[in-house]
Amino acid sequence: EAQVTQNPRYLITVTGKKLTVTCSQNMNHEYMSWYRQDPGLGLRQIYYSMNVEVTDKGDVPEGYKVSRKEKRNFPLILESPSPNQTSLYFCASRAGTYTEAFFGQGTRLTVV
Amino acid sequence: GQQVMQIPQYQHVQEGEDFTTYCNSSTTLSNIQWYKQRPGGHPVFLIQLVKSGEVKKQKRLTFQFGEAKKNSSLHITATQTTDVGTYFCAGPVTNAGKSTFGDGTTLTVKP
Repeated sequence: EAQVTQNPRYLITVTGKKLTVTCSQNMNHEYMSWYRQDPGLGLRQIYYSMNVEVTDKGDVPEGYKVSRKEKRNFPLILESPSPNQTSLYFCASRAGTYTEAFFGQGTRLTVV
Repeated sequence: GQQVMQIPQYQHVQEGEDFTTYCNSSTTLSNIQWYKQRPGGHPVFLIQLVKSGEVKKQKRLTFQFGEAKKNSSLHITATQTTDVGTYFCAGPVTNAGKSTFGDGTTLTVKP
């Protein structure tokens, strides 16, 4: 089954404690992205990647890092989380620029 | 990616009423996509429009792309409770992968 898998689904952490949210896709897609979703603000792109070892900042990259060492994986790293990073995060992948995006189930992160 | 503005932010309707959400851009869009996110779920692709003036239908859903390719709409006829959710439009994706989503329209349907 074609899917994008994120882990964990839910996470509560404390300010400053490094965390990683994993994302894996099994569709051999070139493009992968991370979004955060906050009430009234829609989906805002954090980082995106068009291929292995190629990543770019999106609209809200501050406080986040990503890596794309393998085509299928695109982890989101928060080196020192802060409460303003409390949000719902989605990973997505797509085959090309004119194709649909497939989203993961989402990770609800709370930073206290 | 292109900037896309979506209105309204919220829409409450009685079951059976129609619903429309609009997506607007100040620049020409090469294509536009629509997604639906059910409460507690993740966005799911509905459709892509590419041609000027294009109209596509999916059962009770009608999608339109403006003649100038600067606006798009999603119209639902005779809403049902299963239509509840947030509908997003998304502008074109750059070759590098940058994308822009509208802020979404959240639809609630009263039985």
